[in-house]
Formats: sequence, C-alpha cells, structure tokens
Amino acid sequence: GAVVSQHPSRVICKSGTSVKIECRSLDFQATTMFWYRQFPKQSLMLMATSNEGSKATYEQGVEKDKFLINHASLTLSTLTVTSAHPEDSSFYICSARKGPNEQYFGPGTRLTVT
Amino acid sequence: GENVEQHPSTLSVQEGDSAVIKCTYSDSASNYFPWYKQELGKGPQLIIDIRSNVGEKKDQRIAVTLNKTAKHFSLHITETQPEDSAVYFCAASSSGYSTLTFGKGTMLLVSP
Repeated sequence: GAVVSQHPSRVICKSGTSVKIECRSLDFQATTMFWYRQFPKQSLMLMATSNEGSKATYEQGVEKDKFLINHASLTLSTLTVTSAHPEDSSFYICSARKGPNEQYFGPGTRLTVT
Repeated sequence: GENVEQHPSTLSVQEGDSAVIKCTYSDSASNYFPWYKQELGKGPQLIIDIRSNVGEKKDQRIAVTLNKTAKHFSLHITETQPEDSAVYFCAASSSGYSTLTFGKGTMLLVSP
C-alpha cells in the first residue's frame, strides 16, 4: 500500500497567527512531496513541490514567504502558513510521490482563519 | 504547458448503470494518466492509472482506456453503486518525476 497522513485534519486559528501542517508518508519513502490547495467544488491547485533536503519549488503566484515548506526527511514535509488571514482559509492537501509517477494523497487539512 | 479537459462536470446515473468520464490532454509528451476519486471532505484516492504504452487497463468494475493519437483517455465504471458517488479527477504527466496536471473534476451521483 501507499499511505499518506496529514495532521491536523482541522485547525482554526486567529488572524495574524501561524499554523503548521504535517504530511507523512507512512509506508514508503518520498523524496518529493507536493502541497495543493483546494477551494470548494474546484480542482486541486498545486502550490509547491517539496524535495527532501532542498528548497521547495513554488508555483507562480504562491508567496514563498507566506507558505513555508520544509522537507527534512524522506517521510515528512511540513507547510507553515505564516501570518494567516481569512483569505487563507481553505482545504490543504499534500501528496507524496512513490516511484517516478504515482502520487498518493493525504486526507487533507481544513484551515479556518477567524 | 499541459492542459487537461474533463467532461462531463456532473453525471447522474441509476444504480447498476455504467458511467463514463472523458478527458483530453494537450501535451503529446504526456505518458502517465491517473484517475482519482475524492469523497466529500477527504483527500483524493488513486483508483486506477494507465501509461502510454498500454491502451486499456481494468480493475474489477473500473477500466481506463487511452487513445494516444486522439490524446484522450476515459474512465469506465460498470454496475455502479451508491458508494461510487464522489468527485472523480483525471490527470496527466509527462516524463517521470514531473508534476500532475488535473482536470476540473466530475461529480458522479449514483441513485439507488
């Protein structure tokens, strides 16, 4: 199998604070993980590609200083939303690549910024 | 870059009927085509995938077909069940280690 976990599943934070989301590949090692954002009834929007031991690659329009990504090990990547604002409220999903193509997704994190 | 179009956006079928979802892609270099099922409030689940050296792949009630010449691929679900109700996404990627480009999704509703 290929299992990816995310923590927390839901988080509510106040505007101006930071929140960290963890993504773990439980039964395989992943040199590459991806972070997506999904708005209601829309497709997945790739935010960044996270490579173990190196800097993340951000998609155009994604603020790298706001969405900090760290991929410190072959099974863990973290996304930190800094100085969160209500417009950052969304469903954040990570995936981990197994092999050259297959991506396995985590269950997602619902972030609400009040 | 790659562009993936997916149709229909919604699909309603009766339990036991078949459902077909179609996708087209633009980059002839794409060679990997996965399908994901996403239930409400959950992350996408990989249900089947196909590579460009294969024309069709089956796994029980689901199958995927690929037409490289026309640059389109389809998901076929037979004997649909209410638990098949979900949003289905197709995706495409080119050579290994590249990112996936997703379609906009199809909401499938299977009525008992």
